[in-house]
Amino acid sequence: DIQMTQSPSSLSASVGDRVTITCRASQSISTYLNWYQQKPGKAPKLLIYASSSLQSGVPSRFSGSGSGTDFTLTISSLQPEDFAAYYCQQSDSSPLTFGGGTKVEIK
Amino acid sequence: EVQLVESGGNLVQPGGSLRLSCAASGFTFSSHWMHWVRQAPGKGLVWVSRINSDGTTINYADSVKGRFTISRDNAENTLYLQMNSLRVEDTAVYFCARLGYNSGCYFYDYWGQGTLVTVSS
Repeated sequence: DIQMTQSPSSLSASVGDRVTITCRASQSISTYLNWYQQKPGKAPKLLIYASSSLQSGVPSRFSGSGSGTDFTLTISSLQPEDFAAYYCQQSDSSPLTFGGGTKVEIK
Repeated sequence: EVQLVESGGNLVQPGGSLRLSCAASGFTFSSHWMHWVRQAPGKGLVWVSRINSDGTTINYADSVKGRFTISRDNAENTLYLQMNSLRVEDTAVYFCARLGYNSGCYFYDYWGQGTLVTVSS
């Protein structure tokens, strides 16, 4: 199985900050990388698919990049509703595996 | 509007059984692969099982193989997960998720709200 490693596991930031989360795959996954946001007690929500494609309805302050083994999710200007956990997921091969998550907290 | 609604979660003793359901609406259920994903309290997301559109291809995580059975009823637009020989470590919120596809990439585009399974004596 492909292992996905996210960093950091948590971070504190202020409204308006630029936030970057990284995700590394244990082997090359081309651009088959997705990002999800999860708020407490809720289901995950798809933000980015295929490394950099924004899911319909997701604000443009979210962006993704990367290919091969290294990927990033960037929030250009953190908003109050963005405080949540974020997960990367590879879909290059089965089983689809997730990173351990990054919790974005209010500073 | 696409909706996935899970049910069936409960408190069960170790060694017990439970059947989860996921009722789908708002899309052509019989055209989509469906997956179960779980999340232990305070932990991350873990894939559990998947089933193709007509139920002929099924896969499981090693941790549940031989104990869990995924199935679907396309006439009733419902996905199931039969969970037997439950263990304390199966305690989690279980989500059903629809597999989507775009730009050559697969992803979970819709999720249910989750149903809590607690295995404890």
